[in-house]
Amino acid sequence: AQSVTQLDSQVPVFEEAPVELRCNYSSSVSVYLFWYVQYPNQGLQLLLKYLSGSTLVKGINGFEAEFNKSQTSFHLRKPSVHISDTAEYFCAVSDPAAGNKLTFGGGTRVLVKP
Amino acid sequence: DSGVTQTPKHLITATGQRVTLRCSPRSGDLSVYWYQQSLDQGLQFLIQYYNGEERAKGNILERFSAQQFPDLHSELNLSSLELGDSALYFCASSVDINYEQYFGPGTRLTVT
Repeated sequence: AQSVTQLDSQVPVFEEAPVELRCNYSSSVSVYLFWYVQYPNQGLQLLLKYLSGSTLVKGINGFEAEFNKSQTSFHLRKPSVHISDTAEYFCAVSDPAAGNKLTFGGGTRVLVKP
Repeated sequence: DSGVTQTPKHLITATGQRVTLRCSPRSGDLSVYWYQQSLDQGLQFLIQYYNGEERAKGNILERFSAQQFPDLHSELNLSSLELGDSALYFCASSVDINYEQYFGPGTRLTVT
């Protein structure tokens, strides 16, 4: 079975400051990794994904994430946040050999302050 | 806009009732997934269909069932509703099994 831990439930950050959201996973098999963003009263939007290849993945809206197999981590970063980045962020893993269902972390709520 | 549509957007119903949630995947997507988002359980996978066939089951209650029709839209049926079934229900679709999933806007179910 897989599990995902997002180490911070809330991250307050000032506008134009960098932000890092931490994600660790456990799995006995190779997995795919994803970050999704959920804006208030909306669905989930895919930010970026790691399927294979380069461990540094670039996504939309200036976000990037680094896959670290030895530390089983997939941390999300943005060098300079905007007010519009205020949202909840979810890390997820899937097992491509088992139908690719997503297992989500508990989410990190990012509040960008002016 | 992900291209995945869900209806209705909101649903308020009473305990013991039955409801049907509908999902239309993105054009060309064969796989449909259902997830439940609640405050106490977070985001949980319920069930997956691929081209009309059930492929995987998660934490789906026996009171819940789903199907995918020949036109690839899917319906999630929730019966004998309880207060604890109040949640956001998301549908997601992917072009094939090992591809990223795109989520719909969700249906917010409130059971009173």
